[in-house]
Amino acid sequence: NAGVTQTPKFQVLKTGQSMTLQCAQDMNHEYMSWYRQDPGMGLRLIHYSVGAGITDQGEVPNGYNVSRSTTEDFPLRLLSAAPSQTSVYFCASSPFGSGAIGEKLFFGSGTQLSVL
Amino acid sequence: KQEVTQIPAALSVPEGENLVLNCSFTDSAIYNLQWFRQDPGKGLTSLLLIQSSQREQTSGRLNASLDKSSGRSTLYIAASQPGDSATYLCAVGSNFGNEKLTFGTGTRLTIIP
Repeated sequence: NAGVTQTPKFQVLKTGQSMTLQCAQDMNHEYMSWYRQDPGMGLRLIHYSVGAGITDQGEVPNGYNVSRSTTEDFPLRLLSAAPSQTSVYFCASSPFGSGAIGEKLFFGSGTQLSVL
Repeated sequence: KQEVTQIPAALSVPEGENLVLNCSFTDSAIYNLQWFRQDPGKGLTSLLLIQSSQREQTSGRLNASLDKSSGRSTLYIAASQPGDSATYLCAVGSNFGNEKLTFGTGTRLTIIP
């Protein structure tokens, strides 16, 4: 049971480039989410999904797109990378709900992204 | 807007001592509170989840308490070990427009052998 798998672990982009951060979970969780973690700040929610075909914006969605075509996968797309998007990105899942309503969140190991 | 604070940002403790990590939040209208552990270069691992109706949760050497009225939670670690060295984050579950977890910035704990 792999849990939540994120790829790649490290990525360097130039300003304006696009890329997709991959996230997959094998626990049949309905809820999936993307957070970014910046020094001196708590984790901030970018986008989340409560099930296949359903996505919604979190606290800091600008510059990011998501889709949820299957229960297992929840990719995060950066359409035109900016230096302000340099951060560590975490994908998280739970059986249902956001973790805010009583479910433990399971996190991936993160993607460290640098935008030059 | 919910705000979560963890003080101190860093803490060093000799091995074997009991210790307490603190978490405070500004709005007491919460669903629950979770404590996470984060090792360097790794993701977060949920340690304990306390529902708003509960006062405490225990797992092994860890005990988390919740006092909603004062906006505080503590994580008690008994008989600390070097393997407990990590960053500990608390996160509060609230409903502000959508169900949301608000994270603190964490306390970096170092256990000195």
